[in-house]
Amino acid sequence: GENVEQHPSTLSVQEGDSAVIKCTYSDSASNYFPWYKQELGKRPQLIIDIRSNVGEKKDQRIAVTLNKTAKHFSLHITETQPEDSAVYFCAASRSGGATNKLIFGTGTLLAVQP
Amino acid sequence: ETGVTQTPRHLVMGMTNKKSLKCEQHLGHNAMYWYKQSAKKPLELMFVYNFKEQTENNSVPSRFSPECPNSSHLFLHLHTLQPEDSALYLCASSQEPYREETQYFGPGTRLLVL
Repeated sequence: GENVEQHPSTLSVQEGDSAVIKCTYSDSASNYFPWYKQELGKRPQLIIDIRSNVGEKKDQRIAVTLNKTAKHFSLHITETQPEDSAVYFCAASRSGGATNKLIFGTGTLLAVQP
Repeated sequence: ETGVTQTPRHLVMGMTNKKSLKCEQHLGHNAMYWYKQSAKKPLELMFVYNFKEQTENNSVPSRFSPECPNSSHLFLHLHTLQPEDSALYLCASSQEPYREETQYFGPGTRLLVL
């Protein structure tokens, strides 16, 4: 079945620096790649997603890139702020089956130091 | 955030107890999910319901029994749990079950099994 690996498990950056989190997936048929942010004690929330027909998507300080050939995708956060501190999860799924089954990575704890 | 609600938020139970977790979504979605979130592990999909029908059981032990009486409500009945079942149990919903769709999470139930 699908497997998603996520690195690093922890990431500490200074406020204003950029942060990059990388994920690789095993199922070449995967075509949907969301990123979720989970603040301490809160629910995971979607922050950005990308579909396999595009290579990059940006939303203000957040961007996601997808390399289908290498089967990896990355989250880029620029000009980090303390409120970006959270656990970030990548996920992968493919449509066409009976369910929208998201396979999640293990998460990256991002700490933005003021 | 009231789109997906879960009760109780915290639960402590003994291994011989029977309890139920409740999830309700107010988004008009047709698919609902149960996930287990343990420390240092990926979010694990447990069950998927599409239009009240269970379409996915991810090899979950029978001591977890889901129930979906309608597309807005989802229950997880618990009995004779083990200490390793202690985790955060998250409910989620999405508009359609067959396409890549954003999943909206509830706040979770923090379960401790003694």
